Amino acid sequence: KAGVTQTPRYLIKTRGQQVTLSCSPISGHRSVSWYQQTPGQGLQFLFEYFSETQRNKGNFPGRFSGRQFSNSRSEMNVSTLELGDSALYLCASSLGGNAETQYFGPGTRLLVL
Amino acid sequence: EDQVTQSPEALRLQEGESSSLNCSYTVSGLRGLFWYRQDPGKGPEFLFTLYSAGEEKEKERLKATLTKKESFLHITAPKPEDSATYLCAVQAERGGSNYKLTFGKGTLLTVNP
Repeated sequence: KAGVTQTPRYLIKTRGQQVTLSCSPISGHRSVSWYQQTPGQGLQFLFEYFSETQRNKGNFPGRFSGRQFSNSRSEMNVSTLELGDSALYLCASSLGGNAETQYFGPGTRLLVL
Repeated sequence: EDQVTQSPEALRLQEGESSSLNCSYTVSGLRGLFWYRQDPGKGPEFLFTLYSAGEEKEKERLKATLTKKESFLHITAPKPEDSATYLCAVQAERGGSNYKLTFGKGTLLTVNP
């Protein structure tokens, strides 16, 4: 069974630009969660989608948004990039029930200059 | 606010030298506690899920245990390939839909040959 895939793997952007990251979950998984990982803050939850609906949202500004499509693939968008948005962005998929294991993709490394 | 604290931050062992990593947590109600392993530049790899105090799970040289306040990851006779960052995460009860994971900052384990 194929794992979680994320594209692109690496991105370099400049301040003020916007970026869209993509995540394809494991086949049959309907929940996709997004996390930001930085050396200082560790892994922080951004949001979670299930059946095209956002169920949970973390404490990030409105510049961070996401969506999920009918095939469970998900995208996250960051507008008006700031230097502090440089991070590894990870998505994880699960079946979507309580305490279901979340399986992570390889991440997208975003560098904002 | 859910909190997860991992200790030590870094641990250096000789090959064959057994030890334990600690994960202390504070949540209003625990749905599940998760252990992941993360290699540099990669996404977290799932190891174990624990649901209730007293539960134990084993996989090769790793054994995870859970109490009402903390979890331990015991590493028996480690090998250099066990070198990685080990992450602990909790999913809390929220009386409804909470599917986010709260992560600790991780323990960087180095096993020298």
